[in-house]
Amino acid sequence: QKEVEQNSGPLSVPEGAIASLNCTYSDRGSQSFFWYRQYSGKSPELIMSIYSNGDKEDGRFTAQLNKASQYVSLLIRDSQPSDSATYLCAVSTKNYGGSQGNLIFGKGTKLSVKP
Amino acid sequence: DVKVTQSSRYLVKRTGEKVFLECVQDMDHENMFWYRQDPGLGLRLIYFSYDVKMKEKGDIPEGYSVSREKKERFSLILESASTNQTSMYLCASSLLAGAGNEQFFGPGTRLTVL
Repeated sequence: QKEVEQNSGPLSVPEGAIASLNCTYSDRGSQSFFWYRQYSGKSPELIMSIYSNGDKEDGRFTAQLNKASQYVSLLIRDSQPSDSATYLCAVSTKNYGGSQGNLIFGKGTKLSVKP
Repeated sequence: DVKVTQSSRYLVKRTGEKVFLECVQDMDHENMFWYRQDPGLGLRLIYFSYDVKMKEKGDIPEGYSVSREKKERFSLILESASTNQTSMYLCASSLLAGAGNEQFFGPGTRLTVL
């Protein structure tokens, strides 16, 4: 069974701090990695994608990928109360045709940023 | 921007009713997906489709069917609704299989079956 694991949290950080969210996955063949943000009662919103080892930065967000360790992380710098949400890690997996069309989602980490 | 729309935000149905949930995307995406999301269980894939008139079962297809007659529209059908199908239903679409296959979600339908 292919799995994506995340700590459920809640992860509580003070405003202005760095929030670090982690994710591990079991499928060594996975090629694409995504972070989604989901506010309570809303649908998931894509915030970051990463495909190769290393770091990828976008504004206050940095995604990190280590395929050898099967580990993905998301750093949020200068955390704001508006960042309070559940963050879902998603990893691509092969479908029946052999392409990486499907995603496996972790159950999410709930982040709370305290003013 | 990709836009994925779902026919209803909230829906209340009775046990045994046939329920139709519709999803439309406006970006000519090849792939469409139906998930349900429940507290503690995360997102679970019900069905997906990579082409018109094509469908594949996901992890939890029992009690559901789907229809994709046009590229932009993917319908989820609950043949005989039951209380354990009370959930948030999320539709998603993506452009192509392979790298860059990020999925974009609709707003969701919160279905309550009484």
